[in-house]
Amino acid sequence: DTEVTQTPKHLVMGMTNKKSLKCEQHMGHRAMYWYKQKAKKPPELMFVYSYEKLSINESVPSRFSPECPNSSLLNLHLHALQPEDSALYLCASSGGLRGTGELFFGEGSRLTVL
Amino acid sequence: SQQGEEDPQALSIQEGENATMNCSYKTSINNLQWYRQNSGRGLVHLILIRSNEREKHSGRLRVTLDTSKKSSSLLITASRAADTASYFCATGTGANSKLTFGKGITLSVRP
Repeated sequence: DTEVTQTPKHLVMGMTNKKSLKCEQHMGHRAMYWYKQKAKKPPELMFVYSYEKLSINESVPSRFSPECPNSSLLNLHLHALQPEDSALYLCASSGGLRGTGELFFGEGSRLTVL
Repeated sequence: SQQGEEDPQALSIQEGENATMNCSYKTSINNLQWYRQNSGRGLVHLILIRSNEREKHSGRLRVTLDTSKKSSSLLITASRAADTASYFCATGTGANSKLTFGKGITLSVRP
């Protein structure tokens, strides 16, 4: 099983809403990532978890709150977002811990903030 | 900040032709990777080449790496309409243990 599964596929939320994006992998990978991708742009790293501990936070605003409940799950909690936060949010995992090996991506969650 | 810079930004070819995409980068790397992304989908890893390797093949893909010129190329031979996608190079450095993606190349393969 080489899948990274993300839910929901699409999410529309208002600026006062609280929602969560979920990511799951069963490849035994110990590093998991959140990326943000705007249209026609490359993915931008947001967070890295290594062995369920946050190892990299790329100065992401606090309205994005990551959580890694266990080695297979990664959540991104969203609160008080802005319309400019609308984007494709990609989860990825890797078997290596240095973060520079092959990444396995999910299909993404398309977020629209109204 | 982006490390890799792909060239050209867009490429349109006929099915059956070869597609060559280039990537240049600025700092020393541990490895360079190529990913494909179909419209609105997740990225798919294509190939990884380490800094001590010069060429690598995988099916119809051939990637080269020239560390002296800080550049890489991805060749897709005998292209198919299904190869239509965006292609990103990504560089891995030991300094910060994270991948940095280039801006991407849009490849269109006409049937």
